[in-house]
Amino acid sequence: EAQVTQNPRYLITVTGKKLTVTCSQNMNHEYMSWYRQDPGLGLRQIYYSMNVEVTDKGDVPEGYKVSRKEKRNFPLILESPSPNQTSLYFCASSTTGTGAFFGQGTRLTVV
Amino acid sequence: RKEVEQDPGPFNVPEGATVAFNCTYSNSASQSFFWYRQDCRKEPKLLMSVYSSGNEDGRFTAQLNRASQYISLLIRDSKLSDSATYLCVVNVAGSARQLTFGSGTQLTVLP
Repeated sequence: EAQVTQNPRYLITVTGKKLTVTCSQNMNHEYMSWYRQDPGLGLRQIYYSMNVEVTDKGDVPEGYKVSRKEKRNFPLILESPSPNQTSLYFCASSTTGTGAFFGQGTRLTVV
Repeated sequence: RKEVEQDPGPFNVPEGATVAFNCTYSNSASQSFFWYRQDCRKEPKLLMSVYSSGNEDGRFTAQLNRASQYISLLIRDSKLSDSATYLCVVNVAGSARQLTFGSGTQLTVLP
């Protein structure tokens, strides 16, 4: 079954404690992205990747890092989380000309 | 000006009504167009692609007007289960960022 898998689904953490949200896709898609979604602000792109070892900033990259060492994986790293990073996060993958497939989301709370 | 603009709604319609959403995009190089559906706190899911000639899928009809740079989604005979947020999505030719999302239009179908 074609899917994008994010983990964890829910996470509560404390300010400053490094965390990683994993994302994996099994469709051999070149493109992968991370979005955050906040009430009234819609989906905002954090980072995107065109292929292995090729990543770039989206609209709201501050406070986040990503890596793309393998085609299927695109982890999102928060080196020092802060409360303003409390949000719903989605990973997505796509290939040229197609719509994106989304993971089920990660609800992050930073206290 | 936002790259993709949608009326945020909310649209409250009775069951059985016909409802239409419009979406405008600013980049004339936009190449691919999609409508997504997002249920509360769930991941966005591809509803349908939008083709130049217009396309229909059951009760849903999507149309594209390249000259005026807008796309539309028509839902006929609306059901309670159609209640969701509908996202307009465009892909700009050659854009590494792949997809740009509108902020969504909220639909509630009332019994």
